Amino acid sequence: DVKVTQSSRYLVKRTGEKVFLECVQDMDHENMFWYRQDPGLGLRLIYFSYDVKMKEKGDIPEGYSVSREKKERFSLILESASTNQTSMYLCASSRDRPLGGNEQFFGPGTRLTVL
Amino acid sequence: AQSVTQLDSHVSVSEGTPVLLRCNYSSSYSPSLFWYVQHPNKGLQLLLKYTSAATLVKGINGFEAEFKKSETSFHLTKPSAHMSDAAEYFCVVSDTGGFKTIFGAGTRLFVKA
Repeated sequence: DVKVTQSSRYLVKRTGEKVFLECVQDMDHENMFWYRQDPGLGLRLIYFSYDVKMKEKGDIPEGYSVSREKKERFSLILESASTNQTSMYLCASSRDRPLGGNEQFFGPGTRLTVL
Repeated sequence: AQSVTQLDSHVSVSEGTPVLLRCNYSSSYSPSLFWYVQHPNKGLQLLLKYTSAATLVKGINGFEAEFKKSETSFHLTKPSAHMSDAAEYFCVVSDTGGFKTIFGAGTRLFVKA
C-alpha cells in the first residue's frame, strides 16, 4: 500500500510566521504535489515536483515555496503566513505513466489556521 | 485549456436508491478522468479512472462511470446507495503526463436512512 504521510494534522500559527509543512511518501514515486482545499473550490494545485530538486508552479503559487531535496520528501513553505492561507493542505504523489492514468495518492491533510 | 464542472454541489438520496453525480469536462486533448472520494476527516481515495480504454469504467464499492465524448461528460453512478457512501466526491481531469490536474468543486452526497 502506498503511504503518504504529512507531519501534522492540525497546526496553528500567527501572521508573519514562517511555516513548514512536510510530506513523505514511501513508494518511490517520481511526482509529488501540494494542494490546498477550500469549501466550494475543490482542490487547487500550489506546486508540483517531477524529480528531486525540480519544481513547477501550479495554479496558486503566490505566497508559497517548496523544496524537494530527497525523492521521498516534499516540503511546502509559507514564507510569511497570512490569514488568507488558513486552509486544508493536501500532499499527493504519483508514479510516472507517460500514457496517462497516473492516479495520485493523497496524505491525510494538514489543517492550518493562521491567526 | 482544461476545466471540470460538477453540476451539483449537494445530492441527497435514500438508502437503496440509485446515485448519480454529474461531471462535465473540457479538454483540448484526450484527457485522463478520475473520480475521488473523501470521507469526513479522511484523505482522498481513488474510486475509478478512465484512460482511453473502455468507456464504461468500474470502480470500487459498486461505483461506475461512463465516458461520453460527444457530451463531454463523465457521470458517476451506483445502483443502490449505502449509508457508508455519504462523503464528498471529486471529478478530476488531467493531461497525459498527469501534472496539469484540475479538480471539480466537489459534490457532497447525503444518504438518508
